[in-house]
Amino acid sequence: GEDVEQSLFLSVREGDSSVINCTYTDSSSTYLYWYKQEPGAGLQLLTYIFSNMDMKQDQRLTVLLNKKDKHLSLRIADTQTGDSAIYFCAENEEGRRALTFGSGTRLQVQP
Amino acid sequence: GAVVSQHPSWVICKSGTSVKIECRSLDFQATTMFWYRQFPKQSLMLMATSNEGSKATYEQGVEKDKFLINHASLTLSTLTVTSAHPEDSSFYICSALGGISNQPQHFGDGTRLSIL
Repeated sequence: GEDVEQSLFLSVREGDSSVINCTYTDSSSTYLYWYKQEPGAGLQLLTYIFSNMDMKQDQRLTVLLNKKDKHLSLRIADTQTGDSAIYFCAENEEGRRALTFGSGTRLQVQP
Repeated sequence: GAVVSQHPSWVICKSGTSVKIECRSLDFQATTMFWYRQFPKQSLMLMATSNEGSKATYEQGVEKDKFLINHASLTLSTLTVTSAHPEDSSFYICSALGGISNQPQHFGDGTRLSIL
């Protein structure tokens, strides 16, 4: 089946940029998503990108998609302590609207 | 504000009890709702897909008689964990989709279920 992989942990200092990476195997992915989950909470949609796009920027967030390498990244500029959370990438398989999630990357922001 | 409401947010009950979790779309009609399960420090695993007015489609390994799903209206889906046991303790999250293809899913805040 389809697989989505992420590194498990990232630690950065406040004010630095964070880059969270994700790789996927499904070449028919149509949309790719980044969700944020704070402890004990549900998922908050941060941003998403259509598979025919290379980049999308939304305030401090920049998503880069390399469709050839099936690589997705999320860059958070000027990372703040409030950005500490688990970040999940997810993808939609074409013709199937459920999401396949990566394992999640725990971002720790140190003051 | 929240577009998907999930209730209750936390429930503790004794083994053998049945527990119902509600998922409501607040300002749109959800033709499809999904139920996910998340174990501590793990990712979300799809349990079932619920389409309004039809039977839910369960993922492999998910017992449909154990996890009853009802999607009786375009704004409400329920998940009932029947005769719950400690191994059913988990974080259950629903999401909802409208009728437009490939729009992002909106998630509820999740229900933490603890079975004693």
